[in-house]
Amino acid sequence: GAVVSQHPSWVICKSGTSVKIECRSLDFQATTMFWYRQFPKQSLMLMATSNEGSKATYEQGVEKDKFLINHASLTLSTLTVTSAHPEDSSFYICSARDPRGGYGYTFGSGTRLTVV
Amino acid sequence: QQQVKQSPQSLIVQKGGISIINCAYENTAFDYFPWYQQFPGKGPALLIAIRPDVSEKKEGRFTISFNKSAKQFSLHIMDSQPGDSATYFCAASDSTLTFGKGTMLLVSP
Repeated sequence: GAVVSQHPSWVICKSGTSVKIECRSLDFQATTMFWYRQFPKQSLMLMATSNEGSKATYEQGVEKDKFLINHASLTLSTLTVTSAHPEDSSFYICSARDPRGGYGYTFGSGTRLTVV
Repeated sequence: QQQVKQSPQSLIVQKGGISIINCAYENTAFDYFPWYQQFPGKGPALLIAIRPDVSEKKEGRFTISFNKSAKQFSLHIMDSQPGDSATYFCAASDSTLTFGKGTMLLVSP
């Protein structure tokens, strides 16, 4: 089945620094990947749709200059949290849709970001 | 505006019982309705999904019932086990996935 790998699984960074999170589709090519944010005991909120070779589409209220998304290849999308602050601490999850599998979305295992 | 409403927020079921989680939607453009299971610190994992041209789908102990006219769908977990204790999310998709708020299920031994 479709596998999405996300790295790192957790990261702690100092306020003001930047953090990069990687999302890879391991056994399929993903022209589109999705980035979600999840606060404790809450649902997943779509942040942006990452399109290979073009600019990401951000959801309303998501700061595109703070959350930089790069989808440089058909198997890799990255999310960079720039100038991170404690309020950016959250669980970030990526997803991709395997074109071979109909409508199914596969999720990565998530990245726990803690900004201190 | 919450496009997918999920209930209950939490649920306690005895081992062997049936767990039922309900969702409702407004957007008639949705054409794919998955259910995800999420354990703490992990990404969501697809349990079962249905398309609107089908009224019911069963996979093992998990069944989705879908009522297109009422714009509602539900997840039934038969013979619930302690290992089923997790958070369950319904979702609906047109070009992107929209999640319900989730249901924390606890199956007591």
